[in-house]
Amino acid sequence: DIQMTQSPSTLSASVGDRVTITCRASQSISAWLAWYQHKPGKAPKLLIYKASTLESGVPSRFSGSGSGTEFTLTIGSLQPDDFATYYCQQYNSYSITFGQGTRLEIK
Amino acid sequence: EVQLVESGGGLVQPGGSLRLSCAAFGFTFSDHYMDWVRQAPGKGLEWVGRIRKKSNSYTTEYAASAKGRFTIARDDSESSLHLLMNSLKTEDTAVYYCAKVNLVSGYFDLWGQGTLVTVSS
Repeated sequence: DIQMTQSPSTLSASVGDRVTITCRASQSISAWLAWYQHKPGKAPKLLIYKASTLESGVPSRFSGSGSGTEFTLTIGSLQPDDFATYYCQQYNSYSITFGQGTRLEIK
Repeated sequence: EVQLVESGGGLVQPGGSLRLSCAAFGFTFSDHYMDWVRQAPGKGLEWVGRIRKKSNSYTTEYAASAKGRFTIARDDSESSLHLLMNSLKTEDTAVYYCAKVNLVSGYFDLWGQGTLVTVSS
């Protein structure tokens, strides 16, 4: 299986900050990568697919980049609603794998 | 409204069985592959398995942790997805989510809110 490694595991930031989360794949996945936001007790929410395509309805402060094995999710200016856990997911192979998650908390 | 609603979770003893269901609303269920994903307490998301659509012969794929014990089934006439879990272990304790696979590619563009399965004596 393709292993996905996210960093950092926890990120403390303030409203208005710009933050970046990194996701690395154990082998090349081209651009077959998605990012999700997950809040406790809620359904995960798709933010980005194909590494950099913003899902309809997702605020433009979210952006994704990368290809091959290294990817980033950037939030341009943190809003109170953005404090959540973020996961990357590869779909290069049918055996889907997620990163371990990055918990974004208020500083 | 486009949504997925899971049901069937609960408390079950180790070695027991449980059947989860997922009802789909607001989209053409039969057009999509459907997956199950779980999240154990304090852990991240873990893919459980997939069932493809009729034109792909309803073939299934499973994570190693689910293979041989879990079975994914679907009923397109009722827009419902099922997860049959046998020989349950304490490590299967998790919130189980159903997820709709995007038509064009393999990411999940719709998730349910999940149903909690607790395996404990």
